[in-house]
Amino acid sequence: KQEVTQIPAALSVPEGENLVLNCSFTDSAIYNLQWFRQDPGKGLTSLLLIQSSQREQTSGRLNASLDKSSGRSTLYIAASQPGDSATYLCAVEGNAGNMLTFGGGTRLMVKP
Amino acid sequence: DVKVTQSSRYLVKRTGEKVFLECVQDMDHENMFWYRQDPGLGLRLIYFSYDVKMKEKGDIPEGYSVSREKKERFSLILESASTNQTSMYLCASSLGGTNTGELFFGEGSRLTVL
Repeated sequence: KQEVTQIPAALSVPEGENLVLNCSFTDSAIYNLQWFRQDPGKGLTSLLLIQSSQREQTSGRLNASLDKSSGRSTLYIAASQPGDSATYLCAVEGNAGNMLTFGGGTRLMVKP
Repeated sequence: DVKVTQSSRYLVKRTGEKVFLECVQDMDHENMFWYRQDPGLGLRLIYFSYDVKMKEKGDIPEGYSVSREKKERFSLILESASTNQTSMYLCASSLGGTNTGELFFGEGSRLTVL
């Protein structure tokens, strides 16, 4: 059974820092991997989706990479801002389809 | 932009009541999902549907049922609510096909069962 782990569970950084969030998964037979953002008490917002054949995806200050062989993905946030404070979750979809496995999330606080 | 709307943001119900959680999406998506989110347990899939009148069990279907009579609407039903069903419920949709693809979530419905 696929397991997805995000370490650290919480992270606090000063504004302006570049930072990396980590996501690891146990089964490399994946279809895609998604990164989401969740603000307190709200739903999830899709940030980036990486297909299994891709190595990375970029959107603005965000860059997500995927290394299937090592079971890892990273989300790089450049020049962090207080508005980036949120919980970031990764989710892996297996090749069997239609079932995502979510990580526990990393709660990010960017201090002004 | 895709919009997934959950009809109730906050609900308080009593043990044994029947509870309906409604979800509507406006982008003609084939797939719709219901998750619950609990501290320390993360997101867990309750049910999903890939077509009208079709449904599939997720990881934790016990105590829940679903209904999808129209493509845009997916309802989660708690036949007899219990305190252990107090949770944040999240509806999501995706375009369709064999795989889930990019998921779009609603704002969530926080249910408290007393």
